Amino acid sequence: KQEVTQIPAALSVPEGENLVLNCSFTDSAIYNLQWFRQDPGKGLTSLLLIQSSQREQTSGRLNASLDKSSGRSTLYIAASQPGDSATYLCAVFYNQGGKLIFGQGTELSVKP
Amino acid sequence: DAEITQSPRHKITETGRQVTLACHQTWNHNNMFWYRQDLGHGLRLIHYSYGVQDTNKGEVSDGYSVSRSNTEDLPLTLESAASSQTSVYFCASSGGLTDTQYFGPGTRLTVL
Repeated sequence: KQEVTQIPAALSVPEGENLVLNCSFTDSAIYNLQWFRQDPGKGLTSLLLIQSSQREQTSGRLNASLDKSSGRSTLYIAASQPGDSATYLCAVFYNQGGKLIFGQGTELSVKP
Repeated sequence: DAEITQSPRHKITETGRQVTLACHQTWNHNNMFWYRQDLGHGLRLIHYSYGVQDTNKGEVSDGYSVSRSNTEDLPLTLESAASSQTSVYFCASSGGLTDTQYFGPGTRLTVL
């Protein structure tokens, strides 16, 4: 079964800390992997999209990596800020099935 | 700016009633999607459309229907609302099938 798993479900860190969010997937035959942010009561906002041929993507303080062989992706957030507090979701577009499969997300809290 | 909107934002209805949730996008995207988000299940795909007159069932389509008569709109209908359909519903769209998806703000539906 094509699944996406995110651990931990919740994470609390002090402001200024660098942190890593993890995403794992069950099948290496993927088209791309996407990271989204969701604020409470809001829709999802796309952060980064990594194509299967890429190893990483960067946007500002965010860096996402992709290792297809191990079925893992990480989202690195540098110098975290209280405004980074949100739920971060990983989603995989598998070659088979033609749909985006979402993980359940990691709820991040950055304390001032 | 292009956007994707959903209405209503909140809806309370009774078991057995027919309910329609609206989704409108101004991105001129061919692909549109409906998801529901529940604690413990994450985001699950209900229905999707690759273009006008095209509709497809997703992972949790029972009790739901969609129709696509133009590029901009994909309304979601609950034929006979059930308490198990209490959830937050998100509409999304994308240009290419594997491109990033843009999400609406969501509709919180409560079925009593």
